[in-house]
Order: sequence, then structure tokens, then C-alpha cells
Amino acid sequence: DTGVSQDPRHKITKRGQNVTFRCDPISEHNRLYWYRQTLGQGPEFLTYFQNEAQLEKSRLLSDRFSAERPKGSFSTLEIQRTEQGDSAMYLCASSLDRGTPYNEQFFGPGTRLTVL
Amino acid sequence: KNQVEQSPQSLIILEGKNCTLQCNYTVSPFSNLRWYKQDTGRGPVSLTIMTFSENTKSNGRYTATLDADTKQSSLHITASQLSDSASYICVVSASGGSYIPTFGRGTSLIVHP
Repeated sequence: DTGVSQDPRHKITKRGQNVTFRCDPISEHNRLYWYRQTLGQGPEFLTYFQNEAQLEKSRLLSDRFSAERPKGSFSTLEIQRTEQGDSAMYLCASSLDRGTPYNEQFFGPGTRLTVL
Repeated sequence: KNQVEQSPQSLIILEGKNCTLQCNYTVSPFSNLRWYKQDTGRGPVSLTIMTFSENTKSNGRYTATLDADTKQSSLHITASQLSDSASYICVVSASGGSYIPTFGRGTSLIVHP
């Protein structure tokens, strides 16, 4: 399967713990995006990378959140000191940037986070 | 502020019936509009993309329309099937800048047998 993969698919943690999610994009894609989605809502943009450079971050991305894409391939999203409000589906998407706005984003299956 | 509004929020129809979902946007300058289908617990999958010059585009039983003047789009589903039960999300991209798209909240469609 050459699609976007995410790991883990589900994560249950206690409030105050740190969690880390991984995303493996489609191999030739140079852009990688992270979104958060709560029940009944559309995905909310968190951040994106062009190769290994993090080019934009949403104000939703508080200082407890950090994302990396060290070699321009896979990416990790870490949440420190989790809060119950962090419970959501975290989606990763990738695209091949051709310098136009028509790049289709291909989404992974998401990581469902539950903070108890 | 760029916004995408979808209606209805949810919809229940019987198998075999047709339905139409609506999307209004204020994204500017407009570049393209996509409709995504998201099955429960899965990531969204693109159904169609429409640019400024396109009025209608079909993908099987899905037909999308775009009126760039009124900034409205619709997704029409013909002869619905149980597998059409999902959330349908309208996503609009602006030209220029970082190309981060604006997502609607989605319409939840349930198809009953």
C-alpha cells in the first residue's frame, strides 16, 4: 500500500501524559500537513511542512504541540501534558507541490486520541 | 476571513433516492473547490475538483456544480447506496500564498435501506 499511513490508529492516555504520533506520507510527496478533527466538524489545519521545513503553524498549535519532519520524509506530532480538550482525530495528509493550488492532498486514516 | 459553510448539517435518505448537498464559500481569491467523502473513522478521500472555469463535473453517481459568481457549489448524489453513508466535506483553496485550503464542517449523510 503506497498511501499515507499513520501510527498508532488509536491512543488512550491519561491527562498530563505526553503522546507522539507518526505519519508516513506518500513517498514522492514533498508537502505534509497535520490536521485536527473533532466530532461533527471538518478538519482544522495545524501545520505543514515543505520537505523538512515547517512553513506554517496555526494558532491552534499551542506550545504543548510540536511537529517535526527531520529528513523530509516521515513526520511526528507530539503533544505534551495532554488535556481532555486534546481528544480528537489527528489527520495527516501529503501532496506533491507543483507550485500551484491544485495539489490534491491525500489523507491518512488518522490517529484517534482519547485523553482521560 | 475565508469561510466555507455547508448545508444541511445532516441528511437521512432512503436507498435509491437522490440528494443534493450545498456549499457556500467566501474564500478569495478563489482557486479551486474539492468535495471529499469521509467514511466514519477514516481520512477524507477526494471526489471531485473544480476550478473557476468549470461549471459541472461528474464522478460516477456524484455530480458537482460550481457557480463562481454566487460562490456556491453543490454535490448531487444519484441513486444513493448504503455505502454513500459518510460525511461530505467541501474544501476551497485560494490562489497565491501557501495554498492551505479552508474546510467546511461537512454534511453527514445516512442512507437507510
